[in-house]
Amino acid sequence: SQQGEEDPQALSIQEGENATMNCSYKTSINNLQWYRQNSGRGLVHLILIRSNEREKHSGRLRVTLDTSKKSSSLLITASRAADTASYFCALRRVDSSYKLIFGSGTRLLVRP
Amino acid sequence: GAGVSQSPSNKVTEKGKDVELRCDPISGHTALYWYRQRLGQGLEFLIYFQGNSAPDKSGLPSDRFSAERTGESVSTLTIQRTQQEDSAVYLCASSTSRSGGSQETQYFGPGTRLLVL
Repeated sequence: SQQGEEDPQALSIQEGENATMNCSYKTSINNLQWYRQNSGRGLVHLILIRSNEREKHSGRLRVTLDTSKKSSSLLITASRAADTASYFCALRRVDSSYKLIFGSGTRLLVRP
Repeated sequence: GAGVSQSPSNKVTEKGKDVELRCDPISGHTALYWYRQRLGQGLEFLIYFQGNSAPDKSGLPSDRFSAERTGESVSTLTIQRTQQEDSAVYLCASSTSRSGGSQETQYFGPGTRLLVL
C-alpha cells in the first residue's frame, strides 16, 4: 500500500498520560504531515516533518521520522480530554508535489 | 480571515438523484482539493485544481463524479445518479502553492456529510 498505515487503530488513555501513534509507509517521501480530526469533520494540520529531519516539536507534540524504517511517530505528552480525536498521517511522495496520501487514522480517547 | 467553507453541511438524497456540493476556499489559495472519507476510514483523494492548469482527476471513482472550479474561487463537486456506496463525508481543502509546491499544508473545510438512501 502506498498510503500510511497507522497503529494502533484505537487508543484509550487516562488524562495526563502520554499517547503515541505510529505511521508506516512504503514509498519515498518528501515530507510527512500529521492531522487531527474531531467528530468526523474537517482536519486540522498539526505538524510537518521533512524527509531530512528526524524529530520535530510543537507544544505538547513530538514527531519523529525514520526514513530508513519508513516510519513516523506522533507523541502527545500530558494528554487532555480535549485531545480526543482521530489522528492521521499524510505522506507527500517524492514524485508528487501536491498530492497527500492519508493513512486510515488512529482514534484517540482521553478519559478525564 | 474566513477558513474553507462547504455547503451543505449535510445532504440526504435518494438513490439515483444528482447532488452538488460546494466549496469556498480561503481567499488567495490557488490549490483546491476534494477528498472522500467513508465511515471510519482515511481520506481518499478525488481531484485537485491548481490555478488555471488542467485538474488532476485521477482520484474520481467513476464518471458519475465531476468537479468544476472557476479560476481560483468556488468549486462544485457533482455526483450524478447517486448510489448508496457514495454515502460518505466529502471534504474540501485549499492551500497556497509556493515554489515547487511541496511544502504547503492543506486547510480543510468542515465537510459535507452525504447520505444516499
